[in-house]
Amino acid sequence: AQTVTQSQPEMSVQEAETVTLSCTYDTSENNYYLFWYKQPPSRQMILVIRQEAYKQQNATENRFSVNFQKAAKSFSLKISDSQLGDTAMYFCAFMNAGNNRKLIWGLGTSLAVNP
Amino acid sequence: KAGVTQTPRYLIKTRGQQVTLSCSPISGHRSVSWYQQTPGQGLQFLFEYFSETQRNKGNFPGRFSGRQFSNSRSEMNVSTLELGDSALYLCASSLVGTAGTEAFFGQGTRLTVV
Repeated sequence: AQTVTQSQPEMSVQEAETVTLSCTYDTSENNYYLFWYKQPPSRQMILVIRQEAYKQQNATENRFSVNFQKAAKSFSLKISDSQLGDTAMYFCAFMNAGNNRKLIWGLGTSLAVNP
Repeated sequence: KAGVTQTPRYLIKTRGQQVTLSCSPISGHRSVSWYQQTPGQGLQFLFEYFSETQRNKGNFPGRFSGRQFSNSRSEMNVSTLELGDSALYLCASSLVGTAGTEAFFGQGTRLTVV
């Protein structure tokens, strides 16, 4: 069975600085997708970034980028130029390729951006 | 384009009662998934519906059930409520195929069982 582990329950960063959130996963599959979702206090789960396992190039979305290490089964999220609005819970999630839409989640990292 | 709509936003129920939660997906999305979120267990997959058929099911007791209608709207039902069922229930909708890997979430229904 697949598992997702986020080893940092809480983190904080100063506004405008860079922070990296860690995620490791376990799977025997070769084709899959990895995601970082953000959940602010409003509870709305929002996709931050997505990575296809078959792509070697790391995904980037504006200030957000990932370091995807397939062999090490590691998928970290880097947030550059942190903003107050980045304060939220961040969840790493795994999904097998195919028709299955089941997401397997880590327990999350609570990120606080301080002014 | 309207997002995923979950109703109601908040519910308080008594142990032993049953509850029905509703989810309207984004127009054109035919896959609807449900998740339970609790502080202790995190986010856990309940089930996924596609074209009115349950396509995948998580490890929850039979008290948790769901269905999907022809317009892709979905409901989940929990019978004989227990205190441990108190949670945030999230619904997500997706497209199908390789273009449908992103799940769009509603704001959730906060269920409190007393």
